[in-house]
Amino acid sequence: GAVVSQHPSWVICKSGTSVKIECRSLDFQATTMFWYRQFPKQSLMLMATSNEGSKATYEQGVEKDKFLINHASLTLSTLTVTSAHPEDSSFYICSATPGWGGNTEAFFGQGTRLTVV
Amino acid sequence: AQSVSQHNHHVILSEAASLELGCNYSYGGTVNLFWYVQYPGQHLQLLLKYFSGDPLVKGIKGFEAEFIKSKFSFNLRKPSVQWSDTAEYFCAVNAGTSYDKVIFGPGTSLSVIP
Repeated sequence: GAVVSQHPSWVICKSGTSVKIECRSLDFQATTMFWYRQFPKQSLMLMATSNEGSKATYEQGVEKDKFLINHASLTLSTLTVTSAHPEDSSFYICSATPGWGGNTEAFFGQGTRLTVV
Repeated sequence: AQSVSQHNHHVILSEAASLELGCNYSYGGTVNLFWYVQYPGQHLQLLLKYFSGDPLVKGIKGFEAEFIKSKFSFNLRKPSVQWSDTAEYFCAVNAGTSYDKVIFGPGTSLSVIP
């Protein structure tokens, strides 16, 4: 199956700093990627749709100036959490769907656990 | 807007008991349906998926699900659970094409008692 890889797997940062999370599709190209966040014991909540070469589309209630998304190539999307605060501590997960023809499911990265102290 | 609901927040079963987890979605058009499992401390794993065809889909680890279009449901079943099935289960849907965003249900926590 397809592989979506995130880096880093975990990160600890100080309050007020910015953190960048990378999401790569390793064996396919993805014009669209999705970013989710998951709080402990909760479900995955879609944050935004990352579009290659254009602006991301944010879900209602997600601050676009706080969660900057850049999809500069067909295999890489980045999520930057700016001026992070403890309430931003969460598990961030990206996904992408390969265009191999026909229906196929989305593939998810292994997630990035962000802890803001 | 699409939404997904799951009937149970937490289910507790003894080993060998049968399992059925309910899932309903709200969307009037074509949908693709999924069940994912997340074991403690691990990332998502796809259990099974439905795109079209036979509404009864079989997945990994002995799980199956039935798509009932008239009821907007996609319930997950397993005839005999094991302790190792203890995990969080998420029903998910994407509307239209498989390239569209996937919306997740709130999840059902399954605890299997040995």
